[in-house]
Amino acid sequence: DTAVSQTPKYLVTQMGNDKSIKCEQNLGHDTMYWYKQDSKKFLKIMFSYNNKELIINETVPNRFSPKSPDKAHLNLHINSLELGDSAVYFCASSQDQGNSYNEQFFGPGTRLTVL
Amino acid sequence: SQQGEEDPQALSIQEGENATMNCSYKTSINNLQWYRQNSGRGLVHLILIRSNEREKHSGRLRVTLDTSKKSSSLLITASRAADTASYFCATDGSEKLVFGKGTKLTVNP
Repeated sequence: DTAVSQTPKYLVTQMGNDKSIKCEQNLGHDTMYWYKQDSKKFLKIMFSYNNKELIINETVPNRFSPKSPDKAHLNLHINSLELGDSAVYFCASSQDQGNSYNEQFFGPGTRLTVL
Repeated sequence: SQQGEEDPQALSIQEGENATMNCSYKTSINNLQWYRQNSGRGLVHLILIRSNEREKHSGRLRVTLDTSKKSSSLLITASRAADTASYFCATDGSEKLVFGKGTKLTVNP
């Protein structure tokens, strides 16, 4: 009965590879997010999707491409991985109303290590 | 640019003591939220306070909001070792939820 799930939990890969992280929420929320948390614990939004439509794209390199096949899923594909991509990536979801941002539910995170 | 800034960056207290964390932000907001993150886990929502509210309680948590000073505080009373975590404030004044850098709280048994 996990609310927001992510796979994989850990991902270790070589520079230059392409990898994907998957996220699913069973809360019936309309909005899903990807966040990146760096080694200093700073959490920064990358993308936001509402009903499968891209809402926020925060100056993320175009090597990162989110895909939302339906409103319960938001996957993140990363091409040509670089050392600086090493971080913990969190998926989250919420039921937002207009300009008011409600409680977000976070997944457990995917720790990506690029060697 | 970052919206919320927590203070202090780290806080170490004894079990049973109260812990106070502060958050300052820059632009006007609709609401401010506090989250907790245990080591190696995702963030968990604690409490949301709207811009027209001044104080809110939830169990051992008390949140205040002063929109004139653009600041909020989170008070955890009678702390427990299980409260050890990082605490983040998040504000929605920039058309998205923006998180601060967090306060790392350690509660010693």
